[in-house]
Amino acid sequence: DARVTQTPRHKVTEMGQEVTMRCQPILGHNTVFWYRQTMMQGLELLAYFRNRAPLDDSGMPKDRFSAEMPDATLATLKIQPSEPRDSAVYFCASGLITMRYSGGAGAGANVLTFGAGSRLTVL
Amino acid sequence: QQQVKQSPQSLIVQKGGISIINCAYENTAFDYFPWYQQFPGKGPALLIAIRPDVSEKKEGRFTISFNKSAKQFSLHIMDSQPGDSATYFCAASKNNAGNMLTFGGGTRLMVKP
Repeated sequence: DARVTQTPRHKVTEMGQEVTMRCQPILGHNTVFWYRQTMMQGLELLAYFRNRAPLDDSGMPKDRFSAEMPDATLATLKIQPSEPRDSAVYFCASGLITMRYSGGAGAGANVLTFGAGSRLTVL
Repeated sequence: QQQVKQSPQSLIVQKGGISIINCAYENTAFDYFPWYQQFPGKGPALLIAIRPDVSEKKEGRFTISFNKSAKQFSLHIMDSQPGDSATYFCAASKNNAGNMLTFGGGTRLMVKP
């Protein structure tokens, strides 16, 4: 099964340190999303890329967060400096997104595949 | 502004019972409504999805009911099993936004044996 690979799975760091999370999307997928999951806020969209170009990062605190896609096989999310309130699970998801309505809703129709997440704890 | 509201936050159902999770949306431009299932330690995975041109979609024990005029949709799990215990998220997106999903807050379902 094709999968989205995220590293690290777990990260504990101290406030002020830089954190970099990495994502390898499924080969051939043209869209990559970064989501953050917390108990209080649920799943929040941070940023997303289409064909490696950033399309929307309005959900991301710009002063400390940055997202990049240096090549088609790697997306990164960086936090510098990290703060305790950044503690969350960060998910990467990828999909082969077509802009045309493809008819059936289900497998193959703009489906997102999520990675297993990176659990970040900032002390 | 919370564009997709999901209820209840948690749900306990006996094995064999029906689990019902509801979602309401505000943006009439939404035209794709998936449900994702998440097990502990895993990422969400697509369970079932519907477009607004149909009022119901069924896949095995899972059914989405869609009410366009009320801007509501729900997930029904028939004959609920302990293995269905997970967190369920409804979501919505606009086709012209390339499926940028807006998620509901999630429902933690526990099916008791």
